[in-house]
Amino acid sequence: DAGVTQSPTHLIKTRGQHVTLRCSPISGHKSVSWYQQVLGQGPQFIFQYYEKEERGRGNFPDRFSARQFPNYSSELNVNALLLGDSALYLCASSPGLAGVNTGELFFGEGSRLTVL
Amino acid sequence: RKEVEQDPGPFNVPEGATVAFNCTYSNSASQSFFWYRQDCRKEPKLLMSVYSSGNEDGRFTAQLNRASQYISLLIRDSKLSDSATYLCVVIPTGGFKTIFGAGTRLFVKA
Repeated sequence: DAGVTQSPTHLIKTRGQHVTLRCSPISGHKSVSWYQQVLGQGPQFIFQYYEKEERGRGNFPDRFSARQFPNYSSELNVNALLLGDSALYLCASSPGLAGVNTGELFFGEGSRLTVL
Repeated sequence: RKEVEQDPGPFNVPEGATVAFNCTYSNSASQSFFWYRQDCRKEPKLLMSVYSSGNEDGRFTAQLNRASQYISLLIRDSKLSDSATYLCVVIPTGGFKTIFGAGTRLFVKA
């Protein structure tokens, strides 16, 4: 079975641009969450979606937005990119049984964003 | 104060050694606790859940101390393949936030 897939794997943008990152969860998983990981730090929670609804949001500015589609795939959008947005963006899926966050996360390999 | 704090290490240990990591959390209402492992330039992977009664999985033992708000991970008989960053994860009660610590780096040497 396919794991969590993310695209693109690497991308380079300039300040002020916007970016869209995509994630396909494991088949049957209804919950998707997004994380930002800066070198030397742990993943920082950005969003969690379950059944197309936002269930949790971390301490990120409104420039960050996301959505989940009927097939449970998800997009993370970041507008007005700053140099500090350079990071590895990780998507994780989980079964999301009854919408409960079980903490059992299956991560994709991430999208590495460089902002110049 | 960070919500989840870990000693960044690195811990450098010889093969066969026993090593322990601690992690403290600030929210006393936290409900679920986990250890994840992340290899260099790879994605995190679930190592084990942490239960109040303590739990063991082979060479790995996890403990939770709610009174002192810390969790621990003990690795016995360390292997070269245990070299990785170990991430402490906490889920607050009623929330959908998943909070990761900054990780503790372990190097196991022959």
